[in-house]
Parts: sequence; C-alpha cells; structure tokens
Amino acid sequence: DVQLVESGGGLVQPGGSLRLSCVASGFTFNAYWMHWVRQTPGKGLVWISHINSDGSDTSYADSVKGRFTISRDNAKNTVYLQMNSLRAGDTGVYYCTTDDPGLGIDSWGQGTLVTVSS
Amino acid sequence: DVVMTQSPLSLPVTLGQPASISCRSSQSLAHADGITYLNWFHQRPGRSPRRLIYQVSNRDSGVPDRFSGSGSGTDFTLRISRVEAEDVGIYYCMQGSHWPPWTFGQGTKVEIK
Repeated sequence: DVQLVESGGGLVQPGGSLRLSCVASGFTFNAYWMHWVRQTPGKGLVWISHINSDGSDTSYADSVKGRFTISRDNAKNTVYLQMNSLRAGDTGVYYCTTDDPGLGIDSWGQGTLVTVSS
Repeated sequence: DVVMTQSPLSLPVTLGQPASISCRSSQSLAHADGITYLNWFHQRPGRSPRRLIYQVSNRDSGVPDRFSGSGSGTDFTLRISRVEAEDVGIYYCMQGSHWPPWTFGQGTKVEIK
C-alpha cells in the first residue's frame, strides 16, 4: 500500500523558515511526480508545488514562488519543501501527494500543520 | 489559471437517495493528448482527501460503484446513486489539464438530513 508520511511542521514566526519532509513507501517512488498541497479552513485545497520524477522540473504557485523550494532524494524516497520568508497566509495543513503521470494526483499523506504567527 | 466552480457548496441528503455535485471549469479541460484530466476527491472529517474518480469517469480501486463521474469540456458531474452514511464529508473536483497551477473547486459539503 502507498504510504506518505509528512513531518517538519510547527509554529514559526513571520519571516522564519521551515523544511517539510515526506517519506514515501509502497510504490516505485522514482517513477512518480510529487506535489505539495495546502489546506486552510477558509480557502480549501490549494496546490503549492510539483516536482517531476527525476527532480529536473519543478513548478510553484505564484503565492510561494521565490520563497519555497521543492526537491527530492530518490535514494531516500523523500520529497522536501523548503519554506522561507513565511507569512501568516502560509498557515495550513500541508499534504504531500503522489502523481502517476497520465493519471494525475492520487494518494495523500496525513498532512503536517504549519502555523505562522508571532 | 483555470478556475473550478462547484455547486452546490452544501448538500443535505437523505440516506438511500441520490445526490449530484456539479463542477464547472473556466476553460475546456480537454488536453491536447485527447484526455480530460478531471479528478474527484472525497475528504471525510479529520481525514486526508482520497481520490474517487480520475479522467472524468474512471473509478479508483475500491471505490463503490454507487459513485460515478461524467461530463466533458467545461461541465462535469459526480453522482452518488444511493447515499450511505460513510459518504458524508467534503467533495472536491480538481483539474490537471492546464498546469501549473493544478486547481481545485471550493468543495461541496455533503451531510445527512
């Protein structure tokens, strides 16, 4: 079974940084694209970033471009989200998801809560 | 960016009765490869989203056949033939035809009357 386990969330002050990790198992990690998606009570689900299977291509939502960086280590079956210059609007539960090319976003982790507040 | 608009946003349903959720996109979701990348997800309270339907009408493994998806172009529908108690939660449509960004609908909250 596919398992995605996120970690790294927490409380951080505005302007601070966090690094989220997502460890994957149960599937051929290096064949899948991966995404980060944020959920907030007021705005539902918002796509944040994607990375292709070998890490050579990435994309970001306009709201995080220049502040967030997605990366992956296929040897460790792990995808990361480095979040810098955090703002109150970045608060939410961050999920990593799989993306089987051709079939789209599929499995989701349990999420990790990021709270940006002074 | 493609804007996804769901209706209704709240749907009280009676157990055993059918239910239907509409999802409209701001532009056609037909991709140049001939596939329409429109997915449906269900999120139970306190749980992560789970994909139910991919490419408009294909049910994921383990999804009951009371769930069905249909539509084309900019107009899509998720139907539940007979609502069961476990079907409560929020349903989201999502497009992956024109990215980035991948975009979600606002969500439709299904609850039992």
